[in-house]
Amino acid sequence: DADVTQTPRNRITKTGKRIMLECSQTKGHDRMYWYRQDPGLGLQLIYYSFDVKDINKGEISDGYSVSRQAQAKFSLSLESAIPNQTALYFCATGTGREGDTGELFFGEGSRLTVL
Amino acid sequence: AQSVSQHNHHVILSEAASLELGCNYSYGGTVNLFWYVQYPGQHLQLLLKYFSGDPLVKGIKGFEAEFIKSKFSFNLRKPSVQWSDTAEYFCAVNPSGGGADGLTFGKGTHLIIQP
Repeated sequence: DADVTQTPRNRITKTGKRIMLECSQTKGHDRMYWYRQDPGLGLQLIYYSFDVKDINKGEISDGYSVSRQAQAKFSLSLESAIPNQTALYFCATGTGREGDTGELFFGEGSRLTVL
Repeated sequence: AQSVSQHNHHVILSEAASLELGCNYSYGGTVNLFWYVQYPGQHLQLLLKYFSGDPLVKGIKGFEAEFIKSKFSFNLRKPSVQWSDTAEYFCAVNPSGGGADGLTFGKGTHLIIQP
């Protein structure tokens, strides 16, 4: 089983719909991240969380919200999806412990298409 | 804020050719540096990382990278590529000791190896 699990893996929706992407991890890491990948743009950080009480905006947070329900769970929501949110979304974790080099561990991605 | 520049967006090589992918970063302090690989349809996996010590680091699958501090560079190399190296390659950076904010990624290099 994957250490970082994302659901759904693929989703097609319509403009204006609310969408939630979920991420769970078994690595015991404190830090969790949501990134968006677009062709030719690399990965851009949407939100990140140090623990259940700590949520931080990344570089492209507009139009998104997150919830850290537990240490192991971090969900990303699109309250009203629009076509330019069509992308591949990755959840990642980081240890946050002493000696942390900043390495991130990625889930398998959630491909979202907004029509 | 730090930034990462990958010089080649698309590279096409024949099997057994040598590979070098360029990566430069912009940041005033000490950094941790990473190369991730994304095989078609898969999530990002760590190839190698540098955080201290020998500036020549070796990773999985015969890849290596050299950190040249004076040039702010962390180029990825492989002496002889294989068809299975076809993938997207991402260089990433975060400040040393400050991995909390996640990684800043370059825009990626799409590598195609022709048989």
